[in-house]
Amino acid sequence: DQQVKQNSPSLSVQEGRISILNCDYTNSMFDYFLWYKKYPAEGPTFLISISSIKDKNEDGRFTVFLNKSAKHLSLHIVPSQPGDSAVYFCAAGGGTSGSRLTFGEGTQLTVNP
Amino acid sequence: DAGVIQSPRHEVTEMGQEVTLRCKPISGHDYLFWYRQTMMRGLELLIYFNNNVPIDDSGMPEDRFSAKMPNASFSTLKIQPSEPRDSAVYFCASSEQGLYGYTFGSGTRLTVV
Repeated sequence: DQQVKQNSPSLSVQEGRISILNCDYTNSMFDYFLWYKKYPAEGPTFLISISSIKDKNEDGRFTVFLNKSAKHLSLHIVPSQPGDSAVYFCAAGGGTSGSRLTFGEGTQLTVNP
Repeated sequence: DAGVIQSPRHEVTEMGQEVTLRCKPISGHDYLFWYRQTMMRGLELLIYFNNNVPIDDSGMPEDRFSAKMPNASFSTLKIQPSEPRDSAVYFCASSEQGLYGYTFGSGTRLTVV
């Protein structure tokens, strides 16, 4: 049972344009959501997070939006840069999950110069 | 701090052999997680420890998999006997009490032939 799903395995955008990565979850008990970025041959690194009491969190070029009623979150990157090319994982935690995080399958973002 | 340290970085072994993956968490972190990355399922949680005690091992796929944490600075994940379907990248991560921002190691790429 995949509680966190990223339905797009890949996304390709032009440098300078907006990248939008999407994530859906099924467990309404989740109350904390995160995005991680992963480069080849490295471990995932934390990018940005959002608590369920908010619907938006911004950090520089990165903004995460949370729609609790739709159980959907998205990551916006504006403007996209070639160095943003990586695999992005959505993760959720909290509620009955305790300290564990449940990750999605990942989306490969490619930003073309 | 050197971060979460995993060894080996790469492991190639023959089917039926025992494989041991090692992890040194960040000093002071009291949670340790073992994840497996596959294309189909993304990052799957195998097991996690709190203060060296296994809390949830429901993600361990079979009895062939076992994990230990003999002290706060070391953990192992063992597969015996290994099978080709165990081929994946295995990540160790650690975190502090109550924080969701895990720090991941660089992973061990396991290939079972």
